[in-house]
Amino acid sequence: DAGITQSPRHKVTETGTPVTLRCHQTENHRYMYWYRQDPGHGLRLIHYSYGVKDTDKGEVSDGYSVSRSKTEDFLLTLESATSSQTSVYFCATQRGPRGVPGQPFMNTEAFFGQGTRLTVV
Amino acid sequence: KNEVEQSPQNLTAQEGEFITINCSYSVGISALHWLQQHPGGGIVSLFMLSSGKKKHGRLIATINIQEKHSSLHITASHPRDSAVYICAVNNAGGTSYGKLTFGQGTILTVHP
Repeated sequence: DAGITQSPRHKVTETGTPVTLRCHQTENHRYMYWYRQDPGHGLRLIHYSYGVKDTDKGEVSDGYSVSRSKTEDFLLTLESATSSQTSVYFCATQRGPRGVPGQPFMNTEAFFGQGTRLTVV
Repeated sequence: KNEVEQSPQNLTAQEGEFITINCSYSVGISALHWLQQHPGGGIVSLFMLSSGKKKHGRLIATINIQEKHSSLHITASHPRDSAVYICAVNNAGGTSYGKLTFGQGTILTVHP
């Protein structure tokens, strides 16, 4: 298994406070993702990173920001936590596409962290 | 309508039974992933495939690109197979490598 560590694993916080979740990987994977998992919605992409300092928004990015200052760490910040952000958050990584020039690249396997259960009260 | 649909949503089986979970998708894809999530646990990748069939132990995954359909089979099911099985796809094209679109998951319970 890829070495992906999420911290904290559990957190309870109050509405309006900032919260930062950390994803740390030891695999030197280029691509990193933050997803949230909610009943009835499944997993949805919040933000992703395609390299150091290179990030972009996913489908549910409002209220979240990310930073990636080095390959191994991808931080997710809830700027002012709301009850709607109560969820389980998963970090994922992928090594990056592989293939030969001129040919469609081949996807690589996705690896997931253990998840962070966040409760906003 | 979701881009990725799984069926059934819930599945109960007796130990030893052959199990099939289905996944249909409505977009062009470059790869399809089958994932496993145990209660309260993390998510583990079982298979990634873009064509044909893959086998790992008692698990078999198949994909039919023309029909936009994939199946996950478990032979000789065991209570430890009880988990949520999630189908996810990488959309073809675009510039955003690796982003996954997920199905809702299938909750599998295998009774001894």
